Amino acid sequence: NAGVTQTPKFQVLKTGQSMTLQCAQDMNHNSMYWYRQDPGMGLRLIYYSASEGTTDKGEVPNGYNVSRLNKREFSLRLESAAPSQTSVYFCASRGISGTFTEAFFGQGTRLTVV
Amino acid sequence: GQQLNQSPQSMFIQEGEDVSMNCTSSSIFNTWLWYKQDPGEGPVLLIALYKAGELTSNGRLTAQFGITRKDSFLNISASIPSDVGIYFCAGQLGGGGADGLTFGKGTHLIIQP
Repeated sequence: NAGVTQTPKFQVLKTGQSMTLQCAQDMNHNSMYWYRQDPGMGLRLIYYSASEGTTDKGEVPNGYNVSRLNKREFSLRLESAAPSQTSVYFCASRGISGTFTEAFFGQGTRLTVV
Repeated sequence: GQQLNQSPQSMFIQEGEDVSMNCTSSSIFNTWLWYKQDPGEGPVLLIALYKAGELTSNGRLTAQFGITRKDSFLNISASIPSDVGIYFCAGQLGGGGADGLTFGKGTHLIIQP
């Protein structure tokens, strides 16, 4: 009953370092998403992947890259971390069928860039 | 892009009181959703609304999809301590599409003993 699993849960980076946030879902969902959550800003979409092999930019894609490795996994990469990327990052997934399907969220990755 | 205005930003209420929050949008959405986020957790779906005018209940929660498709409200009746958290509205343009959800900035619900 895992749902959406994100790793790591916490991370501290120095400015300029790189890292990859991992996300995996076991619900056979087609679509996967990366959001960031900042105080007072709600959740903002960084990138999404409608299906395996496709990715699209969301509202705030600058400074990030993504890879849809397979149907299960969608990773988010910070090539050169900046303090402005300090945030809580959420991965989500949705199946596509019928009129609507619920988006399930992971527990988040809390990233601090110093 | 689309923007959702969610209000109020925070609510301080007594246990047992009813709660009301709402979202308005500059754009039409085809689906309205209400999520709750507990500290240290990801958002969890409370109610999904698919049609303009639809009124849906989930226990003590009731939500409505505005007739103009540009707004929605969420009511919580007889609040209890576990209702504390951040409530987000979210809108989706596509019916079954892959586009991401647009979120409001959240309503912090705080229940005073």
